[in-house]
Amino acid sequence: GQNIDQPTEMTATEGAIVQINCTYQTSGFNGLFWYQQHAGEAPTFLSYNVLDGLEEKGRFSSFLSRSKGYSYLLLKELQMKDSASYLCAVITNAGKSTFGDGTTLTVKP
Amino acid sequence: DAGITQSPRHKVTETGTPVTLRCHQTENHRYMYWYRQDPGHGLRLIHYSYGVKDTDKGEVSDGYSVSRSKTEDFLLTLESATSSQTSVYFCAISEQGLNQPQHFGDGTRLSIL
Repeated sequence: GQNIDQPTEMTATEGAIVQINCTYQTSGFNGLFWYQQHAGEAPTFLSYNVLDGLEEKGRFSSFLSRSKGYSYLLLKELQMKDSASYLCAVITNAGKSTFGDGTTLTVKP
Repeated sequence: DAGITQSPRHKVTETGTPVTLRCHQTENHRYMYWYRQDPGHGLRLIHYSYGVKDTDKGEVSDGYSVSRSKTEDFLLTLESATSSQTSVYFCAISEQGLNQPQHFGDGTRLSIL
């Protein structure tokens, strides 16, 4: 089966940098997605990693280490609108996605 | 934004009644998914479809059935609703390919009393 762990909550200050970690145990790994979900809204796609290393997309970057079963999402120059839940999801060779419980990030002024 | 419409957006019903939720897409994507999300939890896959009349179970499929008779529509049915099925239900779509992200509908908030 799949097992995905993320911290439940994090707090950071506007303008700072925050790193949200995700560890996973899975069979047939075929990629890892990060999604953002504002309260009461649908999740939206942020990033995808399938190879080891860092993928940068503006203020957001995502890192993957397949050998360690580890990923992180890095948010730079935090803004108040970044307050949201961040969901890590692993996709297997069979095409099924398993989501972590999400990390609720609160950005304070 | 991906063209995904879920209906109804809100529903309150009683235990033991049948409930059908509809997901409609205008993107002609092959894959469609139904998830439920409970407070403080991520998304749990109920069922998914990889083509017309092709469906498979997810991790929490008990008590749910699905049908996909057309590319654009994916229906989720609770044959006899129970209070444990009170949740927010999200539909998602994706193009073919394991590297393709999922695009989500706005969700249906279902309360079973």
